Amino acid sequence: DADVTQTPRNRITKTGKRIMLECSQTKGHDRMYWYRQDPGLGLRLIYYSFDVKDINKGEISDGYSVSRQAQAKFSLSLESAIPNQTALYFCATSDPRGTRNTDTQYFGPGTRLTVL
Amino acid sequence: AQSVTQPDIHITVSEGASLELRCNYSYGATPYLFWYVQSPGQGLQLLLKYFSGDTLVQGIKGFEAEFKRSQSSFNLRKPSVHWSDAAEYFCAVGSRYGNKLVFGAGTILRVKS
Repeated sequence: DADVTQTPRNRITKTGKRIMLECSQTKGHDRMYWYRQDPGLGLRLIYYSFDVKDINKGEISDGYSVSRQAQAKFSLSLESAIPNQTALYFCATSDPRGTRNTDTQYFGPGTRLTVL
Repeated sequence: AQSVTQPDIHITVSEGASLELRCNYSYGATPYLFWYVQSPGQGLQLLLKYFSGDTLVQGIKGFEAEFKRSQSSFNLRKPSVHWSDAAEYFCAVGSRYGNKLVFGAGTILRVKS
């Protein structure tokens, strides 16, 4: 079974709709992240959370919000979707207590979101 | 500010040929460097990482990368490419703690038979 899962894997929605993307992990990591991937731009950080009570904005947080429901769950919401939010969204987790106290991120399979 | 540049958007190599993917970074402190691979329709898989020590690091699938501080580079290499290596490759830089990764734009590798 995958350590980091994302639901849904694909979603088509309309402009103005609210949508939630969910991420769950079984790795026991405290840190979780949301990225979006656009062709030619790589991955850009939207939000990150270092524990259940910690939420931080990333590089491109406008138009997004997040909820850390538990250590294992981190959801990304688009309150009112717009077409330029069409992208591939990735969740990632990490543990700063990893090998040699380093912090390596592990990614989920991604959610492809299309906003019409 | 942190940044990562992958100068090559696309690279095409013949199966069995050697490969080098370039990565240059800008980072104000000791960089922690990563290479990830994304196969079509898949998530990102960690190939290798550099934190400290030996500047030549070995990864999975026969890949290696060399950290050159003087050139701010962390190039990925493979001596003999297989058709299954066709994918998009991302270089990323972060810190040891509070690890917010900054990614390059990616290099798409095509392998011709």
